[in-house]
Amino acid sequence: KQEVTQIPAALSVPEGENLVLNCSFTDSAIYNLQWFRQDPGKGLTSLLLIQSSQREQTSGRLNASLDKSSGRSTLYIAASQPGDSATYLCAVDPWTYKYIFGTGTRLKVLA
Amino acid sequence: EAQVTQNPRYLITVTGKKLTVTCSQNMNHEYMSWYRQDPGLGLRQIYYSMNVEVTDKGDVPEGYKVSRKEKRNFPLILESPSPNQTSLYFCASISGSYEQYFGPGTRLTVT
Repeated sequence: KQEVTQIPAALSVPEGENLVLNCSFTDSAIYNLQWFRQDPGKGLTSLLLIQSSQREQTSGRLNASLDKSSGRSTLYIAASQPGDSATYLCAVDPWTYKYIFGTGTRLKVLA
Repeated sequence: EAQVTQNPRYLITVTGKKLTVTCSQNMNHEYMSWYRQDPGLGLRQIYYSMNVEVTDKGDVPEGYKVSRKEKRNFPLILESPSPNQTSLYFCASISGSYEQYFGPGTRLTVT
């Protein structure tokens, strides 16, 4: 059964630091992987979607990579800002519409 | 504006009293899904629908029902709610490019 893990569960960094969030999955047979942001009390906002045939996607200060063979994805945030403080979730689509989410990394960027 | 709406946003009810949480999307997406989010467990899929009259179980379907009579609406029905269904519920729809759009969430408390 596919399992998705995000480590660490929480992270605090000073403003301006570059940081990497990790997402691991146990079964490499995935169709795509998505990264989301969730603010307290709010819904999820899609950040980046990587198809299984792709290695990375970029949007502004965000870059997501995918290595299916090792079961890993990383979300790189450049020059972090206090407004980046949120919980970041990854989810894999195993070709069956039964999306599996990680439990998230709670990020706090200190001003 | 492209969006997914859910109602109600907050609901407190008693054990056994049937309730329905509505979900509607205005993007003409074929695929819609319901999740629940619990501390330490992350988001888990309850049901999903690939099109009108086509639904299937996710990971935690027990105690829930869904229907998809129109493309835009995908209500979640709790026939006899129990305290273990106290949770934060999210509806989502998926575009043809596989990007997920989430509703704002419904916080349900069953006493």
